[in-house]
Amino acid sequence: GENVEQHPSTLSVQEGDSAVIKCTYSDSASNYFPWYKQELGKGPQLIIDIRSNVGEKKDQRIAVTLNKTAKHFSLHITETQPEDSAVYFCAASIQGAQKLVFGQGTRLTINP
Amino acid sequence: DAGITQSPRHKVTETGTPVTLRCHQTENHRYMYWYRQDPGHGLRLIHYSYGVKDTDKGEVSDGYSVSRSKTEDFLLTLESATSSQTSVYFCAIFSGGNYGYTFGSGTRLTVV
Repeated sequence: GENVEQHPSTLSVQEGDSAVIKCTYSDSASNYFPWYKQELGKGPQLIIDIRSNVGEKKDQRIAVTLNKTAKHFSLHITETQPEDSAVYFCAASIQGAQKLVFGQGTRLTINP
Repeated sequence: DAGITQSPRHKVTETGTPVTLRCHQTENHRYMYWYRQDPGHGLRLIHYSYGVKDTDKGEVSDGYSVSRSKTEDFLLTLESATSSQTSVYFCAIFSGGNYGYTFGSGTRLTVV
């Protein structure tokens, strides 16, 4: 089955700097890659996703890149703000299979 | 989270007792999921349902059972709770389209 590895497990950056979180997946059939943000005491919320027919997607300060050959994808957050502090999860699935496999999570801390 | 409610939010139970967690949705979605969240493991799929009375196992299903007698309710039962089942449990629905998976607010279960 699919296996998703996420790094780093913790990340601390200065406010205004960029943050990058990386994930690798094992199943070459996976074609849907969402990212979730989890704030304290809440469930994960979808912040951006990418499908395998594109290499990059942006939404304001966040972007996701996908390298299908290497089977890895990354989340990029620019101009970080204190409200970006949270746990971020990557995930992978085969669209249509309706089952997400998650990475281990990254705790991102933005230092003022 | 809009459309999905988990109950209870917190529970403390004794080893060996049965426990049932409830997930309720108001949006008539076909797919529902139970995940558990543990430090260092991210979110792991326990069981999922693709319709009334249609369920299947996830990667960590041992010690858990589920039932779905109505579209709106998905129940997770720990037949005989153990300390290793102390965790935060999340229910999710697949909303489809651009919304992907929507998670509930979670149930924090402690087995003593």
